[in-house]
Amino acid sequence: GENVEQHPSTLSVQEGDSAVIKCTYSDSASNYFPWYKQELGKGPQLIIDIRSNVGEKKDQRIAVTLNKTAKHFSLHITETQPEDSAVYFCAASPAGNEKLTFGTGTRLTIIP
Amino acid sequence: ETGVTQTPRHLVMGMTNKKSLKCEQHLGHNAMYWYKQSAKKPLELMFVYSLEERVENNSVPSRFSPECPNSSHLFLHLHTLQPEDSALYLCASSQEWLQGSYNEQFFGPGTRLTVL
Repeated sequence: GENVEQHPSTLSVQEGDSAVIKCTYSDSASNYFPWYKQELGKGPQLIIDIRSNVGEKKDQRIAVTLNKTAKHFSLHITETQPEDSAVYFCAASPAGNEKLTFGTGTRLTIIP
Repeated sequence: ETGVTQTPRHLVMGMTNKKSLKCEQHLGHNAMYWYKQSAKKPLELMFVYSLEERVENNSVPSRFSPECPNSSHLFLHLHTLQPEDSALYLCASSQEWLQGSYNEQFFGPGTRLTVL
């Protein structure tokens, strides 16, 4: 089955700087890669996703890049703000949203 | 209420107790999910229901028993749990559960379960 590794497990970034979280996956059949943000006391919320026919996708301050050859994808957050502090999860699936395999999460802290 | 709600938010139970977790979605979705979230571990999918029919059961011990009486409600019945079952249990819903679909999963806030 699919195995997703996520790094780093914790990340502290000065407000205004950029943050990058990386994930690798094992199943070359995976074609859907969502990113979820989980704030304290809340469930995960989808913030951006990418499919295998696209190498990069951007939505305002967040972007995701995908390298299918190397089997890794990354989340980039620019101009970080205090409200970006949360736990971020990557996931991968060979069948759309049905069989998501999640990474272990990255706790991002934005330092004012 | 909007989105996905879960009750109770916190639950402490002994190993011999029987309790139930409740999830309700107000989004008109047809698929509902139970996940287990433990510290330092990935989210683990436990069960999936599509149109009230169980379509996925990921080798979950029988001490966890799901029930989906209608497309808006999902329960997780708990019986003779172990301390290692302590975790955050998340419910989610999506529009459909279809091969190759990309329907977003909407999560509830979870129930923090502690088994003594």
